[in-house]
Amino acid sequence: QQQVKQSPQSLIVQKGGISIINCAYENTAFDYFPWYQQFPGKGPALLIAIRPDVSEKKEGRFTISFNKSAKQFSLHIMDSQPGDSATYFCAASKGQAGTALIFGKGTTLSVSS
Amino acid sequence: KAGVTQTPRYLIKTRGQQVTLSCSPISGHRSVSWYQQTPGQGLQFLFEYFSETQRNKGNFPGRFSGRQFSNSRSEMNVSTLELGDSALYLCASSPDLGQGLAQRYFGPGTRLTVT
Repeated sequence: QQQVKQSPQSLIVQKGGISIINCAYENTAFDYFPWYQQFPGKGPALLIAIRPDVSEKKEGRFTISFNKSAKQFSLHIMDSQPGDSATYFCAASKGQAGTALIFGKGTTLSVSS
Repeated sequence: KAGVTQTPRYLIKTRGQQVTLSCSPISGHRSVSWYQQTPGQGLQFLFEYFSETQRNKGNFPGRFSGRQFSNSRSEMNVSTLELGDSALYLCASSPDLGQGLAQRYFGPGTRLTVT
């Protein structure tokens, strides 16, 4: 019940295309869903996050779509650029102080020019 | 604002030794958590500290411990190192209040290699 399942494991997208990464969770107590971006040799950087009271959140080229009934959420990267090539992690937590982030296994995105 | 800093960035230790890793959170952030990242297991929660008290603990053996100081800086210690402890150890800080309650900002990590 604590798992967050992420797919696909790897993704190759052409420059200018849309990258889509999906995550599914089981624990209905989760109410905070962030996405992190990690470059080699760096720590994960918080990209965008959503709470279940909204179905979509957009920041620049990055959009989170959230489906509470299906217990799924996804990251869309519009107009993907070579600089977006990185590993992306979805995560979930109860959104309260002191609770752990439960991470998906990650998606390695390569944007070809 | 300066980000989360972790020292050292790289460390090589021998099986059976112990190691201490250090983390300085973002100024004003009150809680610090630690995560282990490995290719096989991904990112796993170790523990979280707030006001010098451990508030939550993950499923790791007692060889893994930590503490937080009054200035919010934190250390984690791993005793009797095993080969499987080789990993990137990440520290994350959180404002721990208001809209930032759940936000975690990660440092660059300490790469520990156990030989």
